[in-house]
Amino acid sequence: KAGVTQTPRYLIKTRGQQVTLSCSPISGHRSVSWYQQTPGQGLQFLFEYFSETQRNKGNFPGRFSGRQFSNSRSEMNVSTLELGDSALYLCASSLDRGHEAFFGQGTRLTVV
Amino acid sequence: SQQGEEDPQALSIQEGENATMNCSYKTSINNLQWYRQNSGRGLVHLILIRSNEREKHSGRLRVTLDTSKKSSSLLITASRAADTASYFCATASTGTASKLTFGTGTRLQVTL
Repeated sequence: KAGVTQTPRYLIKTRGQQVTLSCSPISGHRSVSWYQQTPGQGLQFLFEYFSETQRNKGNFPGRFSGRQFSNSRSEMNVSTLELGDSALYLCASSLDRGHEAFFGQGTRLTVV
Repeated sequence: SQQGEEDPQALSIQEGENATMNCSYKTSINNLQWYRQNSGRGLVHLILIRSNEREKHSGRLRVTLDTSKKSSSLLITASRAADTASYFCATASTGTASKLTFGTGTRLQVTL
């Protein structure tokens, strides 16, 4: 089975721009979650989607949004980028809540 | 916010020795998962232990869970240089099992 695929691997954006990150989960997995990792805050939960519905949301501003498609692929969008949004963004896929969560290699976003 | 703390923050051992990392958390959990991360890359899933389990093994890994003390430990036996990485515990709370809350991580250095 292929693992979790995140694209792109690296991004450099300018403050004020917006960005879209993509995640393809493991085949058969319907739950996709997104996490932000920074040196200061560690790993923080952004949101989780299951069957195209947002099921859980973390404490991030509305500039962070996501969606899930019928094939379980997910995208997250960050609008009006700030320098503090520079981070490693990780996607995880799972069969459902309570199961193992497998992570992709991440997208390294740098905001300049 | 971080669910809890991992102890120690950093650990340096020689190849062949055992490494023990501890994780404490704050809420009731559905399960606890351990991950490895190499140099800011994606998280590699190591093992999941459910709240009704006390011990689990996978190869050179042994995980224990004490729900009365809200703590878990990860033991890596006969460490290798390739085990050098950061190790994180993540808890899925009862009621919000689709969201993982991560500890602060232990940085393990295995020297030859």
